[in-house]
Amino acid sequence: GESVGLHLPTLSVQEGDNSIINCAYSNSASDYFIWYKQESGKGPQFIIDIRSNMDKRQGQRVTVLLNKTVKHLSLQIAATQPGDSAVYFCAENPDMRFGAGTRLTVKP
Amino acid sequence: NAGVTQTPKFQVLKTGQSMTLQCAQDMNHNSMYWYRQDPGMGLRLIYYSASEGTTDKGEVPNGYNVSRLNKREFSLRLESAAPSQTSVYFCASSGQRLSYEQYFGPGTRLTVT
Repeated sequence: GESVGLHLPTLSVQEGDNSIINCAYSNSASDYFIWYKQESGKGPQFIIDIRSNMDKRQGQRVTVLLNKTVKHLSLQIAATQPGDSAVYFCAENPDMRFGAGTRLTVKP
Repeated sequence: NAGVTQTPKFQVLKTGQSMTLQCAQDMNHNSMYWYRQDPGMGLRLIYYSASEGTTDKGEVPNGYNVSRLNKREFSLRLESAAPSQTSVYFCASSGQRLSYEQYFGPGTRLTVT
C-alpha cells in the first residue's frame, strides 16, 4: 500500500504486507528529517531519522528514503504488524515542522 | 527514569480563565519544546527553549507564555484561555541544541468552553 501525506491521510494494509508512507516537505534548506509514530492517546515516538547528505537509511524493519530533488520522504515498514497501527509523522528540521500525519491501520 | 512527564493529563477551563501546564524531564536534556496538536493539523510549535535561561517563539506563540524554570522544567501558561486554545498539548525535550531527536510527554488534553 502507498499513501501520500495530506491527500491520503489513511492507509490500510494486511498484516505481513509492506507499507509505504509518504511525506512532502516544504523547505529545501531542511537538513535533518525524522519519522515519528504516535499511538492513540500517547505522545509521538521517534522511529528513524535521516540527514540531507543521505538518500537512504535502514533500521529494524523500517527504511527511510529521501529525495531532495522533489522534496519527498518515504517510510517503508516491512512485514507490517498489528502493533504498527498508529499515526506516522514526518518532521523537517531545523524548522521543526511536522506533517499532519498518515494513519496506518493493519488488518489481521 | 520517567522521561518526559506532563501535568495535568486533562483540564477543562472556562473562557478567560488562566492555567499553567507543567513539564519536566529527567534525561538532562538541554532543549525543551511545547507543541499543540489539533485534528488534521499535525504538531505546531508554540515555544521552545534551546538551553536553560533562553526561550524563543515558535510557529503559534500568541496567547501563551513560557518559563524555563531550570534545566528540568519548562512550563506553558495560558493567561486568558480562549476556545481556540482547545487542543492537546505536548511537551518534548532533546539532548542537543534544537532539531534533534525529541522525546515527547504523554500530552495534556485541554478543553476551553
